[in-house]
Amino acid sequence: DAGITQSPRYKITETGRQVTLMCHQTWSHSYMFWYRQDLGHGLRLIYYSAAADITDKGEVPDGYVVSRSKTENFPLTLESATRSQTSVYFCASTEETNTQYFGPGTRLTVL
Amino acid sequence: RKEVEQDPGPFNVPEGATVAFNCTYSNSASQSFFWYRQDCRKEPKLLMSVYSSGNEDGRFTAQLNRASQYISLLIRDSKLSDSATYLCVVPGGSYIPTFGRGTSLIVHP
Repeated sequence: DAGITQSPRYKITETGRQVTLMCHQTWSHSYMFWYRQDLGHGLRLIYYSAAADITDKGEVPDGYVVSRSKTENFPLTLESATRSQTSVYFCASTEETNTQYFGPGTRLTVL
Repeated sequence: RKEVEQDPGPFNVPEGATVAFNCTYSNSASQSFFWYRQDCRKEPKLLMSVYSSGNEDGRFTAQLNRASQYISLLIRDSKLSDSATYLCVVPGGSYIPTFGRGTSLIVHP
């Protein structure tokens, strides 16, 4: 039972490059979320999705794009990475409860 | 007032001590609340939920004070393994939660 996985776990990229972070869950949860976590800010919601093909902005969506063509996948794309997007990114899912299950995170460094 | 506020700490306590954290929230309509635990550089994991007056699980007790709009987490007989950051979570609409910034606990020998 894999639960929720993220890939890559670590990524180093350069300013201006496009980067895609993957999130996959095996529970068929309806809701999926992307957060970033930075010192001094806690967890901040980037985007969320209530179901396949339904996505919406969170607190800090600028510079990010998401898609959800299948229930189990929720990729996050940084269209043109900036240094300010260096962070730890967590994906999470929930099945219409308020308990969220998090993936292990992706540590992204933008040089 | 921020939606969810926590004292960042760190709370530095010896093994065996009792320690309590508070979390204040602004949305008076919230019905359920959660405490998550986050170990260094790892994902948050659910510790406890609080739906009414309180919840107890072994050494951990979570309580809700609706009148003053805060929830608390009490840890008795602290263990070294309790060292972590404790996140207060208040759900919102569309199952979108608001996370506090967390309270850091360090338990030392």
